[in-house]
This record gives sequence, C-alpha cells and structure tokens, in this order.
Amino acid sequence: AQSVTQLGSHVSVSEGALVLLRCNYSSSVPPYLFWYVQYPNQGLQLLLKYTTGATLVKGINGFEAEFKKSETSFHLTKPSAHMSDAAEYFCAVILPPFSGGYNKLIFGAGTRLAVHP
Amino acid sequence: NAGVMQNPRHLVRRRGQEARLRCSPMKGHSHVYWYRQLPEEGLKFMVYLQKENIIDESGMPKERFSAEFPKEGPSILRIQQVVRGDSAAYFCASSPGQISNYGYTFGSGTRLTVV
Repeated sequence: AQSVTQLGSHVSVSEGALVLLRCNYSSSVPPYLFWYVQYPNQGLQLLLKYTTGATLVKGINGFEAEFKKSETSFHLTKPSAHMSDAAEYFCAVILPPFSGGYNKLIFGAGTRLAVHP
Repeated sequence: NAGVMQNPRHLVRRRGQEARLRCSPMKGHSHVYWYRQLPEEGLKFMVYLQKENIIDESGMPKERFSAEFPKEGPSILRIQQVVRGDSAAYFCASSPGQISNYGYTFGSGTRLTVV
C-alpha cells in the first residue's frame, strides 16, 4: 500500500526566503505524485504533478518539485516566498495506470506554511 | 465549464440529526471520490463511486455513513445520527475515468459542524 510522509507539520519562512516542503512516499511501484495547496476555508488546488518524463516539474505560482526515485522523495520548493504563499500544502500519490486495481489519491498529513515579513 | 460543485458550503447539525452532503461532478466526469478532513489532519479517503455503483467504501465508517451516485443527479454522502466527531470538512473530487494522471478535481468542500 502507498503512504505519504510530510516532514514538518508547520514551516515558517521570511518573505523572500527559500521555501522547502518535504515529501517522502512509500509505494510498490513508482507512483504519480502531486502537490496541492489549500487556502483557509477553501478546497484543494493542484500546484503541480509528476507522472512520467522530466523529474523536475514546474507548477503554478513559481513552485517546482523534483522526483527523486532513489530517495523516494518529491520535495516542493520555491526560490522566494511571498506573503500570499501562506497556506496548507499537501503531497499526494497515486498508482499509475495499469498497475493493478483502480487508483485513489493518498494524501500526506499536510504542511502549514507561514510567511512572515 | 463549472468545476466540482458541493453544497452546502457550511452545514450545522445537532447531535442525532442527519446530514446530507451533495456533490455534482464536472461535466463529463463519471467517477466521484469523497474525502474527509478532520481538523489539523490531511484528507482521508472515504468512498469511490461510479454512476449507480460503489466501487470502494473501505474508508467509510460501517455505521451511520452511506453514499450514492445515482444515474441522474448529484452524488450524496449521508450521515445519520451525527455525533460531534463527525465535524469535519468533506471534500468531493471527480475524474473522467479510472485514470490517475489528472490528480482529480476537487470541490470547495462542505464544512459540517455538529453542535
């Protein structure tokens, strides 16, 4: 069964500083990987995803993530934090097509990002 | 092209009442997933439905909870005899099929408060 671990339930950075949110996964086969963002009292918005191909993927709002198979990681980064980045971020995995059975997204517990001036 | 629509956005129920949460998937999507988010926790899978069929309800409590996705109309998540512990945000997601590279499209959620 797949699982997702997000290290650090709360991360605080200064405006303009590097954002690094960690995600490690466990899966029987290399999964597809996703990062979602959730603003207060809102639903989830897809930031970026990795399915196949280039392991460095770019998403919206200047975020990017790199799939590292050897480390079973998919950390989310942004070079310079903005106040509007304050939100909760969720890493999620899903088995790729034809890997057996159907597919459902499995989420990590989330990381709440605070950005201070 | 409307996204996934959930209603109501907020729902307050007294203990022992019933809660009905509705989800209209995106146009053309026939697969619906329900997730529950407890305070300070991530999203937990509850149930996966296709039109008129429950495919996987392994994440849904055996008692008091039920879900349906009729041929016509929205998907309904029903919670009978609600208790304080049912207070959470319930999110619905939809996809066009059993394909995983979309990552699903989520609705804005229904926030259930049991008083």
